Amino acid sequence: GAVVSQHPSWVICKSGTSVKIECRSLDFQATTMFWYRQFPKQSLMLMATSNEGSKATYEQGVEKDKFLINHASLTLSTLTVTSAHPEDSSFYICSAGGTSETIRRQYFGPGTRLTVL
Amino acid sequence: GQSLEQPSEVTAVEGAIVQINCTYQTSGFYGLSWYQQHDGGAPTFLSYNALDGLEETGRFSSFLSRSDSYGYLLLQELQMKDSASYFCAPFTGGGNKLTFGTGTQLKVEL
Repeated sequence: GAVVSQHPSWVICKSGTSVKIECRSLDFQATTMFWYRQFPKQSLMLMATSNEGSKATYEQGVEKDKFLINHASLTLSTLTVTSAHPEDSSFYICSAGGTSETIRRQYFGPGTRLTVL
Repeated sequence: GQSLEQPSEVTAVEGAIVQINCTYQTSGFYGLSWYQQHDGGAPTFLSYNALDGLEETGRFSSFLSRSDSYGYLLLQELQMKDSASYFCAPFTGGGNKLTFGTGTQLKVEL
């Protein structure tokens, strides 16, 4: 199957700082990438859908100015958590898809665990 | 509105068969996917049902009944490594996205 990488795998930052997470599709062109967050023992909550070359579509309740998403190329999407606070601590996972086939069969990155002190 | 229901936890013994049910209520339904996630890991795709009936992939099978808005994942010959969380995820073509259920934590015991 397709390979999706995420970097960093974990990050600890101070409250008020910004953190950038990268999501790369290594062996296919991902026209669409998805960003999820997951709290311990809970489900994956879709935050936004990122389409290459256009603005991301955010889910209801997700602050666009806080979670900046950029999908500059067919292999890279970034999520920047701006002015992070302890409540932003979570597991952030990206997934990639390029067609309706790969959207229902999404390929997930390994996730980034963010801890905000 | 949209709703998904799965049992929160299921326990079974090694070698047994277990069924994880999923009922859904969603608009623009195209099909039902199932994902497995081990603790601290990334979800991995298990199966997708677009049509009614049973899809078999090795030890895992998935079933869909569109008229009942119901599906299940069947795991046979359970192994310890099957201990994980299992999520059903309806695919809604209109939104072109997956919505994940609350997940079922499967514990396989000796």
